[in-house]
Amino acid sequence: EVQLVESGGGLVQPGGSLRLSCAASGFTFSSYAMHWVRQAPGKGLEYVSAISSDGGSTYYANSVKGRFTISRDNSKNTLYLQMGSLRAEDMAVYYCAARYCTSTSCTGYFDYWGQGTLVTVSS
Amino acid sequence: EIVMTQSPATLSVSPGERATLSCRASQSVSSNLAWYQQKPGQAPRLLIYGASTRATGIPARFSGSGSGTEFTLTISSLQSEDFAVYYCQQYNNWYSFGQGTKLEIK
Repeated sequence: EVQLVESGGGLVQPGGSLRLSCAASGFTFSSYAMHWVRQAPGKGLEYVSAISSDGGSTYYANSVKGRFTISRDNSKNTLYLQMGSLRAEDMAVYYCAARYCTSTSCTGYFDYWGQGTLVTVSS
Repeated sequence: EIVMTQSPATLSVSPGERATLSCRASQSVSSNLAWYQQKPGQAPRLLIYGASTRATGIPARFSGSGSGTEFTLTISSLQSEDFAVYYCQQYNNWYSFGQGTKLEIK
């Protein structure tokens, strides 16, 4: 059974930091590009960041560039998001999501999603 | 950035009836469009990719159509479990989602 399990969310003050993790199982993690997608309370989905299957390439939405860092450890089947200089507008449920890659290309859609972890930014 | 616009924001339909949801892209995304279903408290679930291909395990009552800038998700005969929020997502130029259509019971 495919599972993506996020952890690390919680309450943090504005300007603070938090590290999210996403543990993957049930599929070949190293064959998937991984993403973080967030959803503010009552709002829609927003793409945050992505990392290639081998970790060699990373991408960020403009809203988080310079403040967030995505990484992965394929030996541990785990994805990370280091979040810094947090703002009220970063408050959301953060989902990790996976899209399949072959040796030459990746799909663009997300086959698997985790259940999300809530990040609350408040003083 | 490609902006995805979904309509309507809320759609009220009776069980057993057909539902038609629309998604428009601010510029052509070819057929690089996916649809997801999200129920309260749950993660999104992939329904359709490539604008019209059903994902594994998705019932045949779900169908997608369109290309370029105009797309449609049709649910042919609504079941109780289909009432949820639906999002379109383009992956032609990075990634962006529509704001969602809430499908509610009439």
